[in-house]
Amino acid sequence: GAGVSQSPSNKVTEKGKDVELRCDPISGHTALYWYRQSLGQGLEFLIYFQGNSAPDKSGLPSDRFSAERTGGSVSTLTIQRTQQEDSAVYLCASSAGGPRQETQYFGPGTRLLVL
Amino acid sequence: DQQVKQNSPSLSVQEGRISILNCDYTNSMFDYFLWYKKYPAEGPTFLISISSIKDKNEDGRFTVFLNKSAKHLSLHIVPSQPGDSAVYFCASYGQNFVFGPGTRLSVLP
Repeated sequence: GAGVSQSPSNKVTEKGKDVELRCDPISGHTALYWYRQSLGQGLEFLIYFQGNSAPDKSGLPSDRFSAERTGGSVSTLTIQRTQQEDSAVYLCASSAGGPRQETQYFGPGTRLLVL
Repeated sequence: DQQVKQNSPSLSVQEGRISILNCDYTNSMFDYFLWYKKYPAEGPTFLISISSIKDKNEDGRFTVFLNKSAKHLSLHIVPSQPGDSAVYFCASYGQNFVFGPGTRLSVLP
């Protein structure tokens, strides 16, 4: 079946502009994660959605970052007033259950470049 | 302050030999550990995991060892194959997932 998809695959924007990144998880997966990977770094956890529970936003680096998950499926990560340090690959993952029980499946990522 | 460290940014191994990738963590609250493999322009793919109640988990050519007292885990790949060439991330879970910076493995034919 279809895996996790993300769009756009690449995004170039100017400093100060807002961007929206989209994630389509695997159908039926209740958990959805957003991460970012800066150059030479590991994946940095941003936010976690699990079913109808309140999301775990503890990884969001500033209030310029927000994410929504509509209808328990598609998720959008929004970065307002982008800064150059926001340049990174943003990865989305989904899983069928909780973190210790089910494997995360990752999308290919969105490569964001802020000029 | 990195909670999960992979001190070798790269590793080269001859085909057929054993690859050993290492990972150290600092947070004693981590109780679940995973390894992921990543090819260029793709998302990471899950390889193998281990719970803190175990010290070894094996899946085919891949074995993960956990030494809780040393806060150290390792991934053994044997025999190594050219298709194993990728970046390997270890990850730990306590309250959320924390990933190491990765080790680039090159398996030479």
